[in-house]
Amino acid sequence: NAGVTQTPKFRVLKTGQSMTLLCAQDMNHEYMYWYRQDPGMGLRLIHYSVGEGTTAKGEVPDGYNVSRLKKQNFLLGLESAAPSQTSVYFCASRNQGGISETQYFGPGTRLLVL
Amino acid sequence: QQQVKQSPQSLIVQKGGISIINCAYENTAFDYFPWYQQFPGKGPALLIAIRPDVSEKKEGRFTISFNKSAKQFSLHIMDSQPGDSATYFCAAKGNTGRRALTFGSGTRLQVQP
Repeated sequence: NAGVTQTPKFRVLKTGQSMTLLCAQDMNHEYMYWYRQDPGMGLRLIHYSVGEGTTAKGEVPDGYNVSRLKKQNFLLGLESAAPSQTSVYFCASRNQGGISETQYFGPGTRLLVL
Repeated sequence: QQQVKQSPQSLIVQKGGISIINCAYENTAFDYFPWYQQFPGKGPALLIAIRPDVSEKKEGRFTISFNKSAKQFSLHIMDSQPGDSATYFCAAKGNTGRRALTFGSGTRLQVQP
């Protein structure tokens, strides 16, 4: 049981390049989230999904797109990377309903945009 | 607009001492208040959480104190250990919509031996 995994772990991009970050979870969770973490700002929600085939915007969605074609995967895309998108990106998942509200986080992807 | 304000930004405590981190929130619709612990190079992990119908929750050396009228909650780490050195985030979740977490800015705790 791997929990939440993220690929790649680290990536360097040039301004204007595109890339996709992959998040996978093996806990059969309905909800999945993408956050970015910047110094002194905590984690901010980019996009989220409440189930396969559904996505919605979070606090800071500009410059990002997402897709949830399979329940276990949640992809984050950067179409044209900008230096302001240099950050650490975390994916998280949680179960729907029930008592537990716990979000389980992946290990993160560190992205540097030059 | 920051909906969850966390202080202090950094904290140094001697081994065996008490670490206290404070958070304040604005949205009265929040109904779940977790604390996450993050070690360098790792993702955050749930440490302890509380709902607004109780004023305190204790798990081992970790205690959350919750003041609903003041819209404040705090994390107390008793008998702090060097292994507790990490970044701590408070968070809050609303009871409608996306059910995502709104995080505080984080506190970097260093426990000196």
